Amino acid sequence: GQNIDQPTEMTATEGAIVQINCTYQTSGFNGLFWYQQHAGEAPTFLSYNVLDGLEEKGRFSSFLSRSKGYSYLLLKELQMKDSASYLCAVMDSNYQLIWGAGTKLIIKP
Amino acid sequence: IAGITQAPTSQILAAGRRMTLRCTQDMRHNAMYWYRQDLGLGLRLIHYSNTAGTTGKGEVPDGYSVSRANTDDFPLTLASAVPSQTSVYFCASSATGSTGAGELFFGEGSRLTVL
Repeated sequence: GQNIDQPTEMTATEGAIVQINCTYQTSGFNGLFWYQQHAGEAPTFLSYNVLDGLEEKGRFSSFLSRSKGYSYLLLKELQMKDSASYLCAVMDSNYQLIWGAGTKLIIKP
Repeated sequence: IAGITQAPTSQILAAGRRMTLRCTQDMRHNAMYWYRQDLGLGLRLIHYSNTAGTTGKGEVPDGYSVSRANTDDFPLTLASAVPSQTSVYFCASSATGSTGAGELFFGEGSRLTVL
């Protein structure tokens, strides 16, 4: 079966750095996506990786290792507004998105 | 700029009743999707449509139906609601193409409670 694993919850301090991991086992691979979802709101797109390596976008970076079935989202200089759930999703060989359950990130002052 | 509009935003429904969740997009995206989101689970695809006039079943289609008469509208119908359909429903759209198909734009969600 297809599976996406990510931690249920993480806590970090304002101004610090946090890394959210995602491991996957899917039927084929056509890219990995990270979405941010604030409580009670819709998910919004953060990043897309299809090749191995690091993609940087401002305070957020996303890394992919296809051979290890592994990705992480790195958030730097954490702000209170970064408190949200972070969803990892993999596009399989049929171009369908398989979603993880999400990681709830709590930022403390 | 509206993007994707869903209605209603919240609804309490008696079991056995019929319910249609509406979804409209103004981005001229070809592909549209309906997901449900339940606590502790990832988003699960109910039905999708790659282009107007076509629909397909997702991971959890039972008890739901959709139609895609035009590019903009993609309603989701529960023919006879059951308590297990209590969930938050998200409509989404994407441009065509392999990478474009992954970047989804979501509506604000419809919270449905079936009693």
